Amino acid sequence: DSGVTQTPKHLITATGQRVTLRCSPRSGDLSVYWYQQSLDQGLQFLIQYYNGEERAKGNILERFSAQQFPDLHSELNLSSLELGDSALYFCASSVDLTGTNTGELFFGEGSRLTVL
Amino acid sequence: AQSVSQHNHHVILSEAASLELGCNYSYGGTVNLFWYVQYPGQHLQLLLKYFSGDPLVKGIKGFEAEFIKSKFSFNLRKPSVQWSDTAEYFCAVKTWADSWGKLQFGAGTQVVVTP
Repeated sequence: DSGVTQTPKHLITATGQRVTLRCSPRSGDLSVYWYQQSLDQGLQFLIQYYNGEERAKGNILERFSAQQFPDLHSELNLSSLELGDSALYFCASSVDLTGTNTGELFFGEGSRLTVL
Repeated sequence: AQSVSQHNHHVILSEAASLELGCNYSYGGTVNLFWYVQYPGQHLQLLLKYFSGDPLVKGIKGFEAEFIKSKFSFNLRKPSVQWSDTAEYFCAVKTWADSWGKLQFGAGTQVVVTP
């Protein structure tokens, strides 16, 4: 158990719909990262938040957005869903309250999204 | 742009065989290097990491990796694999130009160990 919690574990929805994925980081971690894992693209970095603020952006589509709340949990919103958005979405966390940044990420078990 | 290359996409080998997975990165500055493993149906877990010091790093489950700075490589090895090592293995790089930043992952190598 990494200490990172993601919900839901599985989600099936239709094209055009909108979903929200939730992530609770490890206790004390300030940074949350979202990654998308698909068969053809591998593990792609989407976005990072640190203590409520966006820190880095990767290959995130405009239809996707994220935020980190004051309690440090994060949500990834995916809208106008397309078949190609079907993937496993991982959340990871790092950086404890002392500001130590070893670079290691701790991953949740992922949310598997299927768009039909 | 920075990149991480893993040489093999799929590796199939028998139990007790030796395993070596290649990883090269393209970044000239200081890096931290990682190998993560993803067992079927599970999340990514850290196998080992390199920050500084001895370039030969030992991780969990008998894995080790060697950092060769001149070759920009961080290859993963295990002398004798077991069926339970069947998993996908990811090399990842963190650069210090991006101090709070993300890990960049390679495409992964699917390893299948046959009994």
